[in-house]
Amino acid sequence: EVQLVESGGGLVQPGGSLRLSCAASGFTFSSYEMNWVRQAPGKGPEWVSYIGRSGSTISYADSVKGRFTISRDNTKNSLYLQMNSLRAEDTAVYYCARDLVPAASFVGWFDPWGQGTLVTVSS
Amino acid sequence: EIVLTQSPDTLSLSPGERAILSCRASQSVSSYLAWYQQKPGQAPRLLIYDASNRATGIPARFSGSGSGTDFTLTISSLEPEDFAVYYCHQRSNGLTFGGGTKVEIK
Repeated sequence: EVQLVESGGGLVQPGGSLRLSCAASGFTFSSYEMNWVRQAPGKGPEWVSYIGRSGSTISYADSVKGRFTISRDNTKNSLYLQMNSLRAEDTAVYYCARDLVPAASFVGWFDPWGQGTLVTVSS
Repeated sequence: EIVLTQSPDTLSLSPGERAILSCRASQSVSSYLAWYQQKPGQAPRLLIYDASNRATGIPARFSGSGSGTDFTLTISSLEPEDFAVYYCHQRSNGLTFGGGTKVEIK
């Protein structure tokens, strides 16, 4: 069974940092592009970042560029998101999501998603 | 940024009825549009991609249509488990999502 399990969320003060992790299982992790997508309370999802299969291709939403860093470790079947200089508007559930098609350039359809981890930025 | 506008905000229907959800893009996205279903406390689930292709394991009562700027998700006969929020998503130029349509039990 394909599984994505996020961890690392929590309450952090404005300006603080958090590192999210996503543990993948049930598929060949290194064959898939991966993404972080977030969803603020009561809102639609918002794509945050993408990383290619080898980690050499990376892209960010303008809203997080320069503050967030995506990375992956294919030996550990894990995806990461380092979040610095956090703001109140970063408060959301953060999901890791697999690209739909393996061994292909970024497709941009997300399937499946993990269960999410909540990040709350507040003083 | 391409803006996706979904309508209606809420659709109140009974089990067995047909649901028709709309998604309009602020500029053409060709066929690069997907639909997701989200139930309370759960992650979104991919239903339809490339406007009309059902994802693996999605029942045939879900269908998608449209191209350019106007798209439709149709649920032919609502099952109890279909009451949820539905989002459209485009990947033609950047990646953006609509604000969602809630399908609730009448």
